[in-house]
Order: sequence, then structure tokens, then C-alpha cells
Amino acid sequence: SYELTQPPSVSVSPGQTARITCSGDALPKKYANWYQQKPGQAPVLVIYEDRKRPSGIPERFSGSSSGTEATLTISGAQVEDEADYYCYSPDSSGNQEVFGGGTKLTVL
Amino acid sequence: EVQLVESGGGLVQPGGSLRLSCAASKFTFSNYWMHWVRQAPGKGLVWVSRINDDGSSTTYADSVKGRFTISRDNAKKTLYLQMDSLRAEDTAVYYCARAPAGNSPDYWGQGTLVTVSS
Repeated sequence: SYELTQPPSVSVSPGQTARITCSGDALPKKYANWYQQKPGQAPVLVIYEDRKRPSGIPERFSGSSSGTEATLTISGAQVEDEADYYCYSPDSSGNQEVFGGGTKLTVL
Repeated sequence: EVQLVESGGGLVQPGGSLRLSCAASKFTFSNYWMHWVRQAPGKGLVWVSRINDDGSSTTYADSVKGRFTISRDNAKKTLYLQMDSLRAEDTAVYYCARAPAGNSPDYWGQGTLVTVSS
């Protein structure tokens, strides 16, 4: 079955740039999407279609994709950005949707 | 503000059944695809199932195929997940989420907890 691979954890100091990667064989043909989840809360969409930002999401959140790797970048990370981040994309057939394993971002 | 409210979770014995509901409001339900996603305690998000806007097309994760059935009633603005032959590993918070056709989910409910245990 299709898999998306993320690093388990990323740590940055406040104001630094955080980058979270997501690898998957179908990413050259399928969009990557990114969700933020804070403890006890439902996920929130922060990036869709590789690089688009929903309304209300701060500009410091951006996305990119090249080949089999997509990247979520948080420029000038804030303490409130500390959360779990998940990439999400369909497999090559489009019939199965997959989440990456999640990355815990620590801003400390 | 888009609202999605899940219900129907609870404690069920292995091999049992449960039907989850997701009541939608503040948007045109029949224009959106809908998804179920689950999260086991302390674990990551796992996609479960998807249904298109008119209910004519459904798809499932391999782990639930043949046991779970997704459906919707656009007149009642409600999404369902019928879960049969439940296993301990199905224990999770189940979220419903709406998605613009062919796109990723953009709004999520707060989830309902399903516990499968004897």
C-alpha cells in the first residue's frame, strides 16, 4: 500500500525557519496537502495543492513540491506553531488517500 | 461558519457494530465530497473512507474494506459510517471532514470516540 514518509520530529528556536518534508512516489503526479493538529483539537488545513494557503492561515506557512518530495516551510516559527503536522495525498490511482506518519514540531 | 458534528461513538465489543453520524450545517452539503478519518489514542491520522457528492462513488482504506460502509443522506445533510465486525484496532477518534470535489478535506468535525473492547 502507498506510504508518505515524514520525519518524526523537527525542532527550531522561535524566529527560525522550520522545514518539514514528505516523501511519496506519487507526489510528482499528485498534490500534497498539509494539516496542523494541536493536542485535543481537530486538524486544520494549512496548505493545499502543494503551495496554496487557505484564508486565515498566516503567510509564514508555505509549501513546495519537487519530484517525490513535498515540503512545508514555516518562516519565522512562533511558539504557537508547535503542533503535529501531517502531509496528505492520494495514491497514483486516486482511489486511496494517505496521511504521512506526522511530524512533531517543537518551537523552543 | 461550517459545522460538522459527529455522534454515535461509544464502547462496543469485538465483533460488534456501530453506526456513526455526522450532521452538517452552514454550507451546501450536497456540493461536497465527505471523508472519514480516524486517530487511535496517541497515534497519527489515518484516512478511512470517502464518498462523492451524490453518493454514487465510495472508496475505502484496505484496513476497513468489507467491514465499513460509508453513505450519505443529502436531504438530511448527514454522513454515515456503518462499522461492522469491529476489532480492537478500530479503537480511535473518528472525524468526518468535508472536501471540495476531488480536493483535500478543508473542514473537520471535533470527532467521536469509538472504543472496541470486551
